[in-house]
Amino acid sequence: GQQVMQIPQYQHVQEGEDFTTYCNSSTTLSNIQWYKQRPGGHPVFLIQLVKSGEVKKQKRLTFQFGEAKKNSSLHITATQTTDVGTYFCAGPIGSNYKLTFGKGTLLTVNP
Amino acid sequence: DAGITQSPRHKVTETGTPVTLRCHQTENHRYMYWYRQDPGHGLRLIHYSYGVKDTDKGEVSDGYSVSRSKTEDFLLTLESATSSQTSVYFCAITSSPGDRSSYNEQFFGPGTRLTVL
Repeated sequence: GQQVMQIPQYQHVQEGEDFTTYCNSSTTLSNIQWYKQRPGGHPVFLIQLVKSGEVKKQKRLTFQFGEAKKNSSLHITATQTTDVGTYFCAGPIGSNYKLTFGKGTLLTVNP
Repeated sequence: DAGITQSPRHKVTETGTPVTLRCHQTENHRYMYWYRQDPGHGLRLIHYSYGVKDTDKGEVSDGYSVSRSKTEDFLLTLESATSSQTSVYFCAITSSPGDRSSYNEQFFGPGTRLTVL
């Protein structure tokens, strides 16, 4: 079936290093969303990208949406221990009324 | 947070027993969702609702049923719980999916950890 694939599944970095997670859809998306889930918590919405080639920044986080609207990335510059958690991408596949989530990337940061 | 509560927050039950999880929202949002989260599988949609008495299946709906008799409440029922249904269950709401002119982000509840022995 139609999917959203996310890599890597895990990433461990030293504090101060950069981090990137990648998301690929099997189909063109009208938009893509990113969520963060802290350990033991619930997913929290970070951002939505809508336009082809769109780039958005939130402080040290940079989000990109591919030209073909089938892939996306989240890049964190100079990670901090507060960045620890699982990052999910999600897009509406088959219907605008429900999201299909990637399996997420678990980021751990060594202080 | 977006006024979403889930109850119970934790439950341990035995195989074969019925279980009902409740999601309650105070935002009057039309769309509500039930997900399960398991290691290595991310978030998978079980069922969703697009209005009172209007529900539809997600990708992992087998063994689950839902009901929505009021805008604010969305119930998830496991008619006969199995060990494979041990999971963390999240409810989510959104205000306007399908409307490209506005954000349709989902707001998640705190989750229910269910253990089926």
